[in-house]
Amino acid sequence: QSVLTQPPSASGSPGQRVTISCSGSSSNIGSNPVNWYLQLPGTAPKLLIYTNDQRPSGVPDRFSGSKSGTSGSLAISGLLSEDEADYYCAAWDDSLDGQVFGTGTKVTVL
Amino acid sequence: VQLVQSGAEVEKPGASVTVSCKASGYSFTFYYIHWVRQAPGQGLEWMGIINPSGGSTSYGDNFQGRVTMTRDTPTATVYMRLSSLRSEDTAVYFCARAPERRGAIDYWGQGTLVTVSS
Repeated sequence: QSVLTQPPSASGSPGQRVTISCSGSSSNIGSNPVNWYLQLPGTAPKLLIYTNDQRPSGVPDRFSGSKSGTSGSLAISGLLSEDEADYYCAAWDDSLDGQVFGTGTKVTVL
Repeated sequence: VQLVQSGAEVEKPGASVTVSCKASGYSFTFYYIHWVRQAPGQGLEWMGIINPSGGSTSYGDNFQGRVTMTRDTPTATVYMRLSSLRSEDTAVYFCARAPERRGAIDYWGQGTLVTVSS
């Protein structure tokens, strides 16, 4: 079961900005950094944002992350058709002593 | 960096399955390995973590008593064994690397489909 809550879907037209929220609690996002993963159909997830707002090498700056209190947020600006994918947030949970993932958000480019 | 997993498995209910994950391209003992699974059409579920350096493990509550993670340092391979399989265990199982125990996962294996069916 997922401990972090995300909206099931988000959509936008090409070039628009889409924002995805990730709601947690004091034992996970409130105490540890948020990370974001992108998953294309039939493939393994890929790291998109780490430590709240850091982009790995090769990830376009159209993707940005932030954290406030017990919530994290991922923004995709200048939406492209190739951004259609499932997006997951994740964080370490101190109470569970394990990694917890978000429920996942499917992004559709209209 | 590569994490190469073993091939698809089909098992009967009640049986056990072992999935392997062979690491290459980095210092095996310097990074943790997570196991994460994804049931068909569902989200990601964390199963546990192993420290290849000493072999210490931590398992998710949903898998306590059923999962065992081990490593073989000379071959840089991590193993995940899940026992007492039931149909709900049908999923793609991923191994994934993390530089820090509580940190982000930076590389993922390709995934192994385990199907539990009578």
